[in-house]
Amino acid sequence: EVQLVESGGGLVQPGGSLRLSCTASGFTFSSYWMSWVRQAPGKGLEWVANIKLDGSETYHVDSVKGRFTISRDNAKNSLYLQVNSLRAEDTAVYYCARVCSGYCFDYWGQGTLVTVSS
Amino acid sequence: QTVVTQEPSFSVSPGGTVTLTCGLSSGSVSTSSYPSWYQQTPGQAPRTLIYSTNTRSSGVPDRFSGSILGNKAALTITGAQADDESDYYCVLYMRSGIWVFGGGTKLTVL
Repeated sequence: EVQLVESGGGLVQPGGSLRLSCTASGFTFSSYWMSWVRQAPGKGLEWVANIKLDGSETYHVDSVKGRFTISRDNAKNSLYLQVNSLRAEDTAVYYCARVCSGYCFDYWGQGTLVTVSS
Repeated sequence: QTVVTQEPSFSVSPGGTVTLTCGLSSGSVSTSSYPSWYQQTPGQAPRTLIYSTNTRSSGVPDRFSGSILGNKAALTITGAQADDESDYYCVLYMRSGIWVFGGGTKLTVL
């Protein structure tokens, strides 16, 4: 059974940093692109970042470029999102998602909440 | 900046048919955007319904179908049930590893 479990969220002050983690199981992690998708309270889904199988390519939405960095450790079956210079508008549930071969997000974690507030 | 458009809300009667659409602020949606659709209920993670325009995800009932209608992607629910009342999101693959979600459609079944 495919499982994605996020962790690392919490309350942080504006300008602060966090490292979000996603631990994968039930599939060959190194064979899939992975993504982070976020959802602000009461709002829609927003794609945040993608990373290639071996980590050699990454893509980020414009609003987080220079502040967020996606990475992975295939030996640990883990996906990460380093979030720096946090702003109030970054408050959201952050979901880890597996990218399918048909250019979709076929499995999702339950999410980890990041709250940016003073 | 690319904006993916969806109806903010829609209503359907139980047993009825509804078609939700997913468009672009400029241009047309085609199969090369690999449109996919997700269902989300409050407090839950999204569930994948349709990918690559019209392929149903595993376990999704065949009353959910995807297509291209005119210049938009479409999700059709045939024989709507009470538990179809959810938020529905489409996402388009823009290129080079970048995706853009639509704003979502809140579907009411009543």
